[in-house]
Amino acid sequence: DQQVKQNSPSLSVQEGRISILNCDYTNSMFDYFLWYKKYPAEGPTFLISISSIKDKNEDGRFTVFLNKSAKHLSLHIVPSQPGDSAVYFCASSVPGGTSYGKLTFGQGTILTVHP
Amino acid sequence: DSGVTQTPKHLITATGQRVTLRCSPRSGDLSVYWYQQSLDQGLQFLIQYYNGEERAKGNILERFSAQQFPDLHSELNLSSLELGDSALYFCASSVEASGVADTQYFGPGTRLTVL
Repeated sequence: DQQVKQNSPSLSVQEGRISILNCDYTNSMFDYFLWYKKYPAEGPTFLISISSIKDKNEDGRFTVFLNKSAKHLSLHIVPSQPGDSAVYFCASSVPGGTSYGKLTFGQGTILTVHP
Repeated sequence: DSGVTQTPKHLITATGQRVTLRCSPRSGDLSVYWYQQSLDQGLQFLIQYYNGEERAKGNILERFSAQQFPDLHSELNLSSLELGDSALYFCASSVEASGVADTQYFGPGTRLTVL
């Protein structure tokens, strides 16, 4: 049972344009959502997060949107740069209990930004 | 650089053997998490320790065990290794202030190859 899904395995974007990466989840108990970027042979690097009490969080070129009713979040990168080319993972966690702190990851989306 | 260190970077061993992976969290972080990334499974949560105590458990095999020491570094022990244990093993750490969801920062990973 995959509780966090990234339905697009890959995305190709021109430099300077917007990249939109999507993530859907099924567990209504998730209350904290994160995006990580990963290069080959490296660990995931934290990009941006959002709590379920918000619907938007912005940090420089990165903005995360959360639609709780649709159980959907998205990461917008504007403008996209070739250095943004990597695998992007969304991850979610539930509050408290024996699962507290455990991150559930999506399968990742490979973003390629062409010069 | 996330501040989380993992050793060794690569490990090649044979089936049936036992290995130990080591992780040092970021300064000030009390929680350590272990994740496994295999080709077909994505990033899977294994286990979490908080200030020396086991806090949460995921799909960790009985052949695997972990511990967190008084200096907060953690070790993941994998025994009776099988070919299917070949994967990237990531450690992450967080402050984990009680009751507050916080961000996990990942180390560079250990690539385990079982021949």
